[in-house]
Amino acid sequence: DVQLLESGGGLVQPGGSLRLSCAASGFTFSNYPMTWVRQAPGKGLEWVSGMSGSGGSTYYADSVKGRFTVSRDISMNTLYLQMNNLRAEDTAVYYCGRGYRGPENWGPGTLVIVSS
Amino acid sequence: DVVMTQSPLSLPVTLGQPASISCRSSQSLVYIDGNTYLNWYQQRPGQSPRRLIYGVSNRDSGVPDRFSGSGSGTDFTLKISRVEAEDVAVYYCMQGTHWPGTFGQGTKVEIK
Repeated sequence: DVQLLESGGGLVQPGGSLRLSCAASGFTFSNYPMTWVRQAPGKGLEWVSGMSGSGGSTYYADSVKGRFTVSRDISMNTLYLQMNNLRAEDTAVYYCGRGYRGPENWGPGTLVIVSS
Repeated sequence: DVVMTQSPLSLPVTLGQPASISCRSSQSLVYIDGNTYLNWYQQRPGQSPRRLIYGVSNRDSGVPDRFSGSGSGTDFTLKISRVEAEDVAVYYCMQGTHWPGTFGQGTKVEIK
């Protein structure tokens, strides 16, 4: 079975940094594009970042461009989201998904709270 | 960015009755490869999103056949033929044709 498990969320001050991880299992991680999507409390879904199956292409929403970086470690079957210069509006549950034109599998999410 | 507009945003439905959600995109969702990357997601309270439909009308494995998707170009519809209690959720359309992917605002389906 495909499994995705996010971790690394928590409380951080404005301007701070966090690195989220998404541990993948049950499929050949290196073959699949991956996506990060977030959901602010009580709000809808927002696509944040994506990485192609080759890892050669990365994509970002304008709201995070220049502050967030997506990467992966194929040996660890893990996707990362490095988040720098965090703002209050980045507060959300962050989900990773397998696929990027319509993620078919999702993790349970990890909560990021940006607050002083 | 492509804007996805759903209607209605709230949909009270009687158990056993049909429900229909509309999703319109600000641009055609036909990709250069001929595919249309329009997906529908269900998010039950407290849960992660679950993909129900991909490529406009293809049901994911395990999705009941009371769910169906249709449409083309810029106009799409999700239909539930007979609403059951477990269908209480927020439903989102999402386009993956144009970067970045974008979601509709969500439609909350509740039982009358």
